[in-house]
Amino acid sequence: DIQMTQSPSSLSASVGDRVTITCRASQSISSSLNWYQHKPGKAPEVLIYGASSLQSGVPPRFSGSGSGTDFSLTISSLQPEDFATYYCQQSASIPRTFGQGTKVEIK
Amino acid sequence: QVQLVQSGAEVKKPGASVKVSCRGSGYNFTPYYIHWVRQTPGQGFEWMGWIVPNSGGTNYAQKFQGRVTMTRDTSISTVYMELSSLTSDDTAIYYCARGLLVSGKGFFDPWGQGTPVTVSS
Repeated sequence: DIQMTQSPSSLSASVGDRVTITCRASQSISSSLNWYQHKPGKAPEVLIYGASSLQSGVPPRFSGSGSGTDFSLTISSLQPEDFATYYCQQSASIPRTFGQGTKVEIK
Repeated sequence: QVQLVQSGAEVKKPGASVKVSCRGSGYNFTPYYIHWVRQTPGQGFEWMGWIVPNSGGTNYAQKFQGRVTMTRDTSISTVYMELSSLTSDDTAIYYCARGLLVSGKGFFDPWGQGTPVTVSS
């Protein structure tokens, strides 16, 4: 199975800050990497698919980059509604696997 | 709008089985894979497998082979996930999610609202 490792596991930031979360795969997954936002009591929502493609309806302050084994999710200017937990997920092989999550909290 | 609606919370005893449903609406249900993913406090998100409603074909994660069964009823746009021989480690929120493929890249969208399953004696 492909192991996905996110860092940091949590961070504190202020509204307006630029935030970057990284995700590393245990083997190359090309660009088969997705990012999800998850808020308590709600369904996860996809933000980025294929490492860098913004899902329809997602604000452009979210962006993704990377290929191979190293990826990142950047929020250019953190908004109040962005405080949540973010997960990466690989779609290169079965079983699909997820990172352990990065909780973004209010400073 | 496209949505997946899951059945309600369940409480089960160890050794029992649980069956969770997931009904799709707002799109042509049968061609799209439905994946099942669970979230546990200890293991985070775990992918359990998929079912494709039009054929009933399935693919289960090795961890759950022999314990999980995914079925469908296309007449009501619903898929089911049944997990047997429950232990406390199966206490989790179970999600269904539609598999999408865009430019050769697969992802889950949307997800159901989640079904909490508690296993306790």
